[in-house]
Amino acid sequence: EVQLVESGGGLVKPGGSLRLSCAASGFTFSNAWMSWVRQAPGKGLEWVGCIKTKTDDGTTEYAAPVKGRFTISRDDSKTTLYLQMNSLNTEDTAVYYCTTSRVHAGYFQNWGQGTLVTVSS
Amino acid sequence: EIVLTQSPGTLSLSPGERATLSCRASQSVSSSYLAWYQQKPGQVPRLLIYGAFSRATGIPDRFSGSGSGTDFTLTISRLEPEDFAVYYCHQYGSSSWTFGQGTKVEIK
Repeated sequence: EVQLVESGGGLVKPGGSLRLSCAASGFTFSNAWMSWVRQAPGKGLEWVGCIKTKTDDGTTEYAAPVKGRFTISRDDSKTTLYLQMNSLNTEDTAVYYCTTSRVHAGYFQNWGQGTLVTVSS
Repeated sequence: EIVLTQSPGTLSLSPGERATLSCRASQSVSSSYLAWYQQKPGQVPRLLIYGAFSRATGIPDRFSGSGSGTDFTLTISRLEPEDFAVYYCHQYGSSSWTFGQGTKVEIK
């Protein structure tokens, strides 16, 4: 069974930092493109960014609102995905989902349950 | 960045009726890298369609996707009670992926 379990969410002040983790199991993590998608309260889905596999040079891509502030990384030995978030602002308040296609593709076959990040003073 | 515009914003239909949801892209979506998701209140989104017309595992055949270039459609042939939800399109054909704003399918 595929499992994606996010952790690390919480309350942070504007300008602060937070690191999210996503523990993956049930599929070959090293072969999968992984992404983060967020959803602000009562709003739609927003792609945050992705990281491809090592065979695809481990390329990362980011949405414009987070580029330069967020960094996605992966540890294939631990089957874990990370999202380092710096210079947080109130617009970053959202549930953050870890997602994957489980293959070299950009659609999202599997989703974690999400972790809530609240940016507030 | 490719902007996806979904229409209508809300679709009011009765069970058994046909639902047609539109997703229009501001630029051509490469290789029809277009997906559709369903999200019910309090739940995680579920993949329905990828590659514009391929149904994901376990998705009933009343859901179908079509289109290419800049115009894509999700059709639900006969609405079941569990199909009332919000639907999102998503393009992953460029270096910056994007979602549409969603279409809510509600019970009339």
